[in-house]
Amino acid sequence: EAGVAQSPRYKIIEKRQSVAFWCNPISGHATLYWYQQILGQGPKLLIQFQNNGVVDDSQLPKDRFSAERLKGVDSTLKIQPAKLEDSAVYLCASSRSLRDGDYEQYFGPGTRLTVT
Amino acid sequence: AQSVSQHNHHVILSEAASLELGCNYSYGGTVNLFWYVQYPGQHLQLLLKYFSGDPLVKGIKGFEAEFIKSKFSFNLRKPSVQWSDTAEYFCAVNAPGSARQLTFGSGTQLTVLP
Repeated sequence: EAGVAQSPRYKIIEKRQSVAFWCNPISGHATLYWYQQILGQGPKLLIQFQNNGVVDDSQLPKDRFSAERLKGVDSTLKIQPAKLEDSAVYLCASSRSLRDGDYEQYFGPGTRLTVT
Repeated sequence: AQSVSQHNHHVILSEAASLELGCNYSYGGTVNLFWYVQYPGQHLQLLLKYFSGDPLVKGIKGFEAEFIKSKFSFNLRKPSVQWSDTAEYFCAVNAPGSARQLTFGSGTQLTVLP
């Protein structure tokens, strides 16, 4: 079974530029998550999708961050414009439907963003 | 504020030493608990999880964790570590009513010396 795929793996941009990250979850996984992991900290949830609907985006800085999962499979996370404090690893994770009793989240390799 | 605390930021052990990594959470009610591991250059992967039942949970690679509800703790243990256990370890909690979302601790970097 293929894992969660993310691209690019690394990205360096200047502040005020825009950037987009792509995630392809495990086949059949209805729930998709985006996390931000700042150096020295644990991952922090940004947004959660169930199929193509948003379950929770309360932690997403909506003035600059946006995310979509139009067809309920792949997802894109965008930052526009980027700030220095956005430098972090952006992780995508997926899990089976929220209706399943037992579950775990499977993580992708992440995208390391450096904003200069 | 509700949170997950990992007390040790960096632990250094020699091979064959015993390991215990602390994890405390501040949520009330029923929680689901997880330990994830990130080996150098690899992605986060699940070590073990607790949903209900026996509070002593066994995971992969000889790891186990004990859920102590009265102490709000879920400590990770391994009787004898190996060099290959060098990694960062994260405790995570799915709090009540949070739609399967995980709140992570800040992680513990384990270095095992050969």
